Amino acid sequence: DIQMTQSPSFLSASVGDRVTINCKASQNINKYLNWYQQKLGEAPKLLIYNTNNLQTGIPSRFSGSGSGTDYTLTISSLQPEDVATYFCLQHSSRPDTFGAGTKLELK
Amino acid sequence: EVQLVETGGGLVQPGRSLKLSCVASGFTFNNYWMSWTRQAPGKGLEWVASITNSGGSTYYPDSVKGRFTISRDNAQNTLYLQMNSLRSEDTATYYCTRDGDSSPFDYWGQGVMVTVSS
Repeated sequence: DIQMTQSPSFLSASVGDRVTINCKASQNINKYLNWYQQKLGEAPKLLIYNTNNLQTGIPSRFSGSGSGTDYTLTISSLQPEDVATYFCLQHSSRPDTFGAGTKLELK
Repeated sequence: EVQLVETGGGLVQPGRSLKLSCVASGFTFNNYWMSWTRQAPGKGLEWVASITNSGGSTYYPDSVKGRFTISRDNAQNTLYLQMNSLRSEDTATYYCTRDGDSSPFDYWGQGVMVTVSS
């Protein structure tokens, strides 16, 4: 199985900050990498699919990049409503596997 | 609007069975693969099962293979997860998810809690 190592586990930032979250795969996943946002008590929501494609309705301050084994989610200007846990998912090969999550809080 | 509504969760003893249902609306159900994903309390997410749009093929990780069965009724727009021989480590919130045109897990239901305990 492909292991997804997500960092950091916890992140505290201020409104307006640029925030980056990383996922590293144990092998090349050919850009089959998604990012999800999960707010407290809610279901996960797809933000970005296949590394850098913004899901419909997601604000443009969210972006993704990466290749090979290393991928990044960037929030260009943090907003209060972005407080959530963020997960990555690789769907390059079964079983699809998730990162452990990054909990993002406001400073 | 895509909606996925899960039911059937609850408290069950180890070794017993439980069946989850997910009613889908807002899209043409029989055009899409569907999956179940779970999240143990305070833990990350784990893919549990997937089924093709026709129901002809199913896929599972080793952790549930032989115990869980995913199925669907396209006439009723409903996805199922039959869980047998339940273990304490199966305690989790179970999410019904759609596998979209460009990506798996593009829409998620609100989830249903399953607690396996004596």
